[in-house]
Amino acid sequence: EPEVTQTPSHQVTQMGQEVILRCVPISNHLYFYWYRQILGQKVEFLVSFYNNEISEKSEIFDDQFSVERPDGSNFTLKIRSTKLEDSAMYFCANIRDRGISEQFFGPGTRLTVL
Amino acid sequence: DAKTTQPTSMDCAEGRAANLPCNHSTISGNEYVYWYRQIHSQGPQYIIHGLKNNETNEMASLIITEDRKSSTLILPHATLRDTAVYYCIVIGQTSGSRLTFGEGTQLTVNP
Repeated sequence: EPEVTQTPSHQVTQMGQEVILRCVPISNHLYFYWYRQILGQKVEFLVSFYNNEISEKSEIFDDQFSVERPDGSNFTLKIRSTKLEDSAMYFCANIRDRGISEQFFGPGTRLTVL
Repeated sequence: DAKTTQPTSMDCAEGRAANLPCNHSTISGNEYVYWYRQIHSQGPQYIIHGLKNNETNEMASLIITEDRKSSTLILPHATLRDTAVYYCIVIGQTSGSRLTFGEGTQLTVNP
């Protein structure tokens, strides 16, 4: 069964540094998402992406965040200048088509900002 | 999207059925009920969804009341690997809708 993969599994960075989290979605899936989960808290929506543009974003997704599909397959989340409070698990997800369907999540990247 | 209410935690004996309730009294006619689970900080995993009819797949059954104000997820023969946080999420019929996770129910399956 096809799976969503994410790299790296764990990223440690210094405050103020840029990080790029990578996701390889299931092929032929058209809608992409990023979520995050701070330790001990709820999973929170960050952004959705369709047809090479952002379709929806939350208030968390400020100017420090950006997303892109650099090569038509990978889907990346960039944090320009990390803050301590960005430490969290980051999950990407995708769905097959425009109708209601289940979201397939990756295993997550644990980001630790020191 | 309609708000949902779930118990904070539940226990179940291994091999028995686990019945996880969810209240969604403000659900509207075109909103679906979805269930996901998250096993110990792994990515959330889709389980099942429904609109008004009961649904069954290889993982679980979903029973939706006739007035659609509540539902129950049934794991027919719970195993230790079913220990997880279970989320009931109501989603509008909008393409590509975000998932809004609540606190969910921590299900612990005991040997």
